[in-house]
Parts: sequence; structure tokens; C-alpha cells
Amino acid sequence: KQEVTQIPAALSVPEGENLVLNCSFTDSAIYNLQWFRQDPGKGLTSLLLIQSSQREQTSGRLNASLDKSSGRSTLYIAASQPGDSATYLCAAYMGGNKLVFGAGTILRVKS
Amino acid sequence: NAGVTQTPKFRVLKTGQSMTLLCAQDMNHEYMYWYRQDPGMGLRLIHYSVGEGTTAKGEVPDGYNVSRLKKQNFLLGLESAAPSQTSVYFCASNHAGGGGQPQHFGDGTRLSIL
Repeated sequence: KQEVTQIPAALSVPEGENLVLNCSFTDSAIYNLQWFRQDPGKGLTSLLLIQSSQREQTSGRLNASLDKSSGRSTLYIAASQPGDSATYLCAAYMGGNKLVFGAGTILRVKS
Repeated sequence: NAGVTQTPKFRVLKTGQSMTLLCAQDMNHEYMYWYRQDPGMGLRLIHYSVGEGTTAKGEVPDGYNVSRLKKQNFLLGLESAAPSQTSVYFCASNHAGGGGQPQHFGDGTRLSIL
């Protein structure tokens, strides 16, 4: 059974700092790995989707990497801003319409 | 841009009562999903639909039923609510199955069962 773990559960950083969020998965047979952002009281917003054949994806200040062999993905946020404060979730797509989510990392960027 | 709209946003029920959560999407997506999100846990798939008139079970389907009579709507029903069903429920949709394309989420329905 696929399990997705996110570390740390919570993170507080000063504005301007570069940071890394970690996601690990137990089954390397994934089709893709996705990162989402969730603001309080809101739904999830897709940030980046990395196909299994790719190593990384970039969008603005966000860069996500994927290493299937080690079962890990990281989300790198450059020059963090208070507006980046949110919960970040990763999800592994296993096929069969099944996304397996991690519990998320709560990020707070202090001004 | 409405995207995915969920109604109601909040609801409190007593044990044993029934209710229906409505999800509507205006993006002409084929696939729709219902998830629940509990504290300290990731989202878990309850039921999903691959097109109008179809439904399928997800990871945690017990105690829930769904219907997809129209392509744009996906209904989640609780026939006899239990306290264990207290959760935040999210609806999502996308063009292609599962995770092949990013899913678009609604803002959730916060449901409390007393």
C-alpha cells in the first residue's frame, strides 16, 4: 500500500529565506507526483506536476524535484514571502484514478 | 470563473440524519471526485466518477453514496450520519483520469455530526 509522508509537519521561517519541503513515498511505481497549496478554509490549488519520466518542474519561485529510485520529492521555494504561508501537500498518482496524499506541511513565513 | 462549487459550505447534523452534498463544475470535465480531509491525515478518496451516469468506489466508500446524473454535477449522500463522518469534504474534477492532469478543487464543505 502506498504511503506518502511529509516532513516537517510545520515550518516557520523569516521572509526572504529559501526553504525545502520534503515528501517521501513507499512505492516507486508512480505515474507522477503533484504538489498542492491549501489556504485556510479553502480547497487545494495545483502548483506543480512532475511526470515519472521527469526529474523536476519549475514555476516562478517554485521548483519541485522527483527521485523515484529513492522515493523522494522536494519542493523548493526561493525568497519566501508572507503570501507563501499555507499548507503544502504532495500526492502520488498510482494510476486507477487514485491519488495518495501526504498529510501536508504547514508553512508560516514571518515578515 | 466559478470552477468547482460546493454547497453547502457548513452543516451540523445529528446522528442518524441524512443529507446530500452538491458539487457543480463548469469546466466540462469528465472526471469528478469526492474526498474527505481529517486532521493530521491527507485527503482520502470516497467515490469518483469517470463520466455522466458512472460512479466508482474509492478508498473509504462505506456510509456514503453518490450520483452523477448530469455531467456537471456530482452528489454525495450520507444516508444515516455518524460522528465518524465529521470531516471536511472536498469535491474535485479534471479532464483525464485520476492524476494524469491536475485536479481542480472546490472550497470544501465542513460537516459536523453530533
